[in-house]
Amino acid sequence: QQQVRQSPQSLTVWEGETAILNCSYEDSTFDYFPWYWQFPRESPALLIAIRPVSNKKEDGRFTIFFNKREKKLSLHITDSQPGDSATYFCAASAGGGYKVVFGSGTRLLVSP
Amino acid sequence: GGIITQTPKFLIGQEGQKLTLKCQQNFNHDTMYWYRQDSGKGLRLIYYSITENDLQKGDLSEGYDASREKKSSFSLTVTSAQKNEMAVFLCASSMEGRDTEVFFGKGTRLTVV
Repeated sequence: QQQVRQSPQSLTVWEGETAILNCSYEDSTFDYFPWYWQFPRESPALLIAIRPVSNKKEDGRFTIFFNKREKKLSLHITDSQPGDSATYFCAASAGGGYKVVFGSGTRLLVSP
Repeated sequence: GGIITQTPKFLIGQEGQKLTLKCQQNFNHDTMYWYRQDSGKGLRLIYYSITENDLQKGDLSEGYDASREKKSSFSLTVTSAQKNEMAVFLCASSMEGRDTEVFFGKGTRLTVV
């Protein structure tokens, strides 16, 4: 049973559009949600993260929106660039625990 | 900065073979992880360790053993390789404490013939 689910599996947007990547989770004890991105032939790296004390976290063109009641979050990438093309993983961990669980990823392609 | 070194980069094994993957980090991180990445299935946690000689099972531990004999190293053993198995195994580490960034190595790509 997958604890963290992502959709869509793949997404194509045009340069300049906003890409929206979705994530949902089951475990209500999860209290830290990092997003990682992975470029081809590279390892995942931290992009942005949020804790449920807030419902929005912004870093430049990247924004996480968080809905604790529905156990959903989304990553919005505004003014998408071809260099944003990567696989994006939503992850979660609980209560200061060390176990970090990842979703299956969304493969984003930004076409020029 | 630090680095996580995984060896070997590529590993070809035979069905039923016992295979060992090694990982070293020089971040001086307490926690280390092994994840398996299959195409389209994201990252699945196999084992993690919060300190030397500690081992914690992840969701995919069956069929694997792990060993953390030193703070800087964490090894993973595939106890019996499955025919046609193909995956990338990622070693990672993070500082002690909550909400810390996980840093990944470049992976070991396993192919079983």
